[in-house]
Amino acid sequence: ETGVTQTPRHLVMGMTNKKSLKCEQHLGHNAMYWYKQSAKKPLELMFVYNFKEQTENNSVPSRFSPECPNSSHLFLHLHTLQPEDSALYLCASSQDGTGNQPQHFGDGTRLSIL
Amino acid sequence: GQNIDQPTEMTATEGAIVQINCTYQTSGFNGLFWYQQHAGEAPTFLSYNVLDGLEEKGRFSSFLSRSKGYSYLLLKELQMKDSASYLCAVLDSNYQLIWGAGTKLIIKP
Repeated sequence: ETGVTQTPRHLVMGMTNKKSLKCEQHLGHNAMYWYKQSAKKPLELMFVYNFKEQTENNSVPSRFSPECPNSSHLFLHLHTLQPEDSALYLCASSQDGTGNQPQHFGDGTRLSIL
Repeated sequence: GQNIDQPTEMTATEGAIVQINCTYQTSGFNGLFWYQQHAGEAPTFLSYNVLDGLEEKGRFSSFLSRSKGYSYLLLKELQMKDSASYLCAVLDSNYQLIWGAGTKLIIKP
């Protein structure tokens, strides 16, 4: 139990579907992150929210849309995805967004695009 | 460009010692993290080094040499449960985390 919960754990969707990934942290942290993890590749940072404000968007395609309604919840809305978007999507949180605090990760959502 | 290098895969024997190396070329340095990730699970924090030297935490130790752009994670008295991927990540001058691709460690009886 890492204190960061992601749902669903697995998701299969077609390219024309719309779905959302959910992340919730119970650690009282103020920064939350979305990462993409593909096999044998480094973690790719997608979005960062610090005190509910988006502070980072690493040139992510617009078919990925994040939402952070409060410091405990983070969503990733998906629409019109491509096969190359199949990956493990990890959510993480940290005390703040300064970078030198350890990040606590959820178990991820394994996404498969048909 | 920024780059983190670590071996793709290593194999070691239960009860032995293994050293996982990480070399980096980044724009500035504000610390280095090691994380452990079991298959299908979340990465979990192991260590953070910002000053040169060795930091020991139970069976795991992490070493840093900033002048050489080098770190290693040392695992002693290996157990089967240590089979996992080990991720090295460096905090650059902009406080952005640069991640390595991870080292998959296989422990054999």
